[in-house]
Amino acid sequence: SAVISQKPSRDICQRGTSLTIQCQVDSQVTMMFWYRQQPGQSLTLIATANQGSEATYESGFVIDKFPISRPNLTFSTLTVSNMSPEDSSIYLCSVDAGQNTEAFFGQGTRLTVV
Amino acid sequence: QKEVEQNSGPLSVPEGAIASLNCTYSDRGSQSFFWYRQYSGKSPELIMSIYSNGDKEDGRFTAQLNKASQYVSLLIRDSQPSDSATYLCAVNVGGGADGLTFGKGTHLIIQP
Repeated sequence: SAVISQKPSRDICQRGTSLTIQCQVDSQVTMMFWYRQQPGQSLTLIATANQGSEATYESGFVIDKFPISRPNLTFSTLTVSNMSPEDSSIYLCSVDAGQNTEAFFGQGTRLTVV
Repeated sequence: QKEVEQNSGPLSVPEGAIASLNCTYSDRGSQSFFWYRQYSGKSPELIMSIYSNGDKEDGRFTAQLNKASQYVSLLIRDSQPSDSATYLCAVNVGGGADGLTFGKGTHLIIQP
């Protein structure tokens, strides 16, 4: 299984600011995924990041709010822009190397917006 | 619209008994099915994956898939207090490119 490192592990941010979350994988992977888990809720897919192309966003998520970079096959970033308290969530990076393979998660970033 | 349904619980099971967790999904094109365990404050941990109809066993865990009924379940035998967690059912529709659709999770409590 892939080893996924996310940072920061947690942060408290002021509303109106932005936070960039980094995700590093110990092996090259085709697809990387970003999920959000709001308090007491399950995981919701934000976007899929494929190296060399723009990220694909799920309904309800837009690039201006959650810009994503995927500069190479082992790294991705998610930025939460112009934050509000409603953005307080755990953000999780996941990798999936291909069809019928399991998805593994980083340890997550717990974001609190005040 | 992809939907994955789970009973949120809590499901309370005596220690040593069998815990049965159920999940239904809406998209008949779904190909891959996963069970994750999530402890409070932690990220999801993969427990089981299943891709074809029938049963798949791994230690105390058995995953069961019935694509005709769009139903997947997880059985935990000889339940232990350490099994107390939220169990998330996840479905992948189009292979690796689609990401996963998660159910809301079932909160399992194993009573000593």
